[in-house]
Amino acid sequence: QKEVEQNSGPLSVPEGAIASLNCTYSDRGSQSFFWYRQYSGKSPELIMFIYSNGDKEDGRFTAQLNKASQYVSLLIRDSQPSDSATYLCAVNTRGFKTIFGAGTRLFVKA
Amino acid sequence: SQTIHQWPATLVQPVGSPLSLECTVEGTSNPNLYWYRQAAGRGLQLLFYSVGIGQISSEVPQNLSASRPQDRQFILSSKKLLLSDSGFYLCAWSADRLNTEAFFGQGTRLTVV
Repeated sequence: QKEVEQNSGPLSVPEGAIASLNCTYSDRGSQSFFWYRQYSGKSPELIMFIYSNGDKEDGRFTAQLNKASQYVSLLIRDSQPSDSATYLCAVNTRGFKTIFGAGTRLFVKA
Repeated sequence: SQTIHQWPATLVQPVGSPLSLECTVEGTSNPNLYWYRQAAGRGLQLLFYSVGIGQISSEVPQNLSASRPQDRQFILSSKKLLLSDSGFYLCAWSADRLNTEAFFGQGTRLTVV
C-alpha cells in the first residue's frame, strides 16, 4: 500500500463548479497534512495545510481532514481555468519527513 | 523573508558522467533540507533529507548521494549517471520544527542521454 494515495485523474469540471480532490494515507501517526498546486514544468507551491480534524477554509479553498478514516480532501469553489494544475497531497509522517501522493490533474473548462 | 535557490534550471548529461546539483537557503537558520525527484507524469519521490550539517537520511537506495557541508547548503551528487536518473529534481526546505510545511526551489530538469 502506498503511503499517500490520490486518484491521478484527470478530473474535469466546468468553470464555476466545485472541484473535489481526495487523498488517503496509511500512517495513523501522521500529524500534518498539506495540499500543493503544481503547474506543468514548475515546482509545487503550498496552498493549504491542516492539522486538526474538520474543515479549514481559505478563500475558495477548503481542506477537510478525517484522521479516523485517514482521509484528507481539498474543495475548490468557483473553479477557474487558472486552477487547472496538478494537486499534490502531502503528509508529514514522522516529524521531519513529508511524503507526497502522485497528484491529481485538474482541468477547469471555460 | 526566506528564499531558496537551486541551480542549474536545466541540465543535459551523458550516461556515466558525474552530477552535482546545489541548493542554498537564505533568511533562516538550521532549516530541514530535502531532495525530491519527480519522474515525468509522476509524484514526488523523497530522496534525501537533512536536519543538520552532516546529517543525511537516505530514503531510496540508488547511485545518488547528498551532502550538507554548510547549514544552508544541500548538494545532490552522482559519480556516474544512469538513464533512469532523468527527471525533475527539487530541493525544499522547512523550518526547524516538527510537522511543518516544505517550500520548494525552482527545480532542475535533468536529462541523461
